[in-house]
Amino acid sequence: DIQMTQSPSSLSASLGDRVTITCRASQGIRNYLAWFQQKPGKAPRSLVYAASSLRSGVPSKFSASGSGTDFTLIISSLQPEDFATYYCQQYYTYPFTFGPGTKVHIK
Amino acid sequence: EVQLFESGGGLVQPGGSLRLSCAASGFAFRDYAMSWVRQAPGKGLHWVSSISGSGGDTYYADSVKGRFTISRDNSQNTLYMEVNSLRAEDTAIYYCAKGGESGHYGDFDYWGQGSLVTVSS
Repeated sequence: DIQMTQSPSSLSASLGDRVTITCRASQGIRNYLAWFQQKPGKAPRSLVYAASSLRSGVPSKFSASGSGTDFTLIISSLQPEDFATYYCQQYYTYPFTFGPGTKVHIK
Repeated sequence: EVQLFESGGGLVQPGGSLRLSCAASGFAFRDYAMSWVRQAPGKGLHWVSSISGSGGDTYYADSVKGRFTISRDNSQNTLYMEVNSLRAEDTAIYYCAKGGESGHYGDFDYWGQGSLVTVSS
């Protein structure tokens, strides 16, 4: 199985901060990488697919990049609604696997 | 508007069974792969199973293979998961997820609100 790791596992940030979350796959997955946002008690929300394509309706403060094994999600200016847990996921091959998540806290 | 609504969860004893349902609306259900993803309380996300739009192709995580069966009724716009021989470690919120426009089964663009399955004696 392809293992997905994320760093950091958690971070504290202030409103307006630029936040960077990284995701690494244990083997190359081309660009078959998605990012999700999950708030407590809610279902995950899709932010990004194909490593860098924003879903319809996702604000442009989110950006993502990467290919192969290393990927990045950036939130350009953190707002109150962005405090959540972020997961990456590979869909290059079965079983589809998720990273352990990065929890973004308010500083 | 895409909507997915899961039901059928509940408290079940070890070794028991349940049938989860996911009612879909707002899109051409038969044209999209669908999947189940679960999340144990306070834990991360784990893919469980996927099914093609026609229902002819199915895929499972090793941890549920032989115990869970995914299916769909395209006339009713409903996705199912028959879960048998339940174990404590199957306790989780079960989400259904719609396949995205890319056509890749693991490209999940919309998720339901989830259905909690608790396995306990």
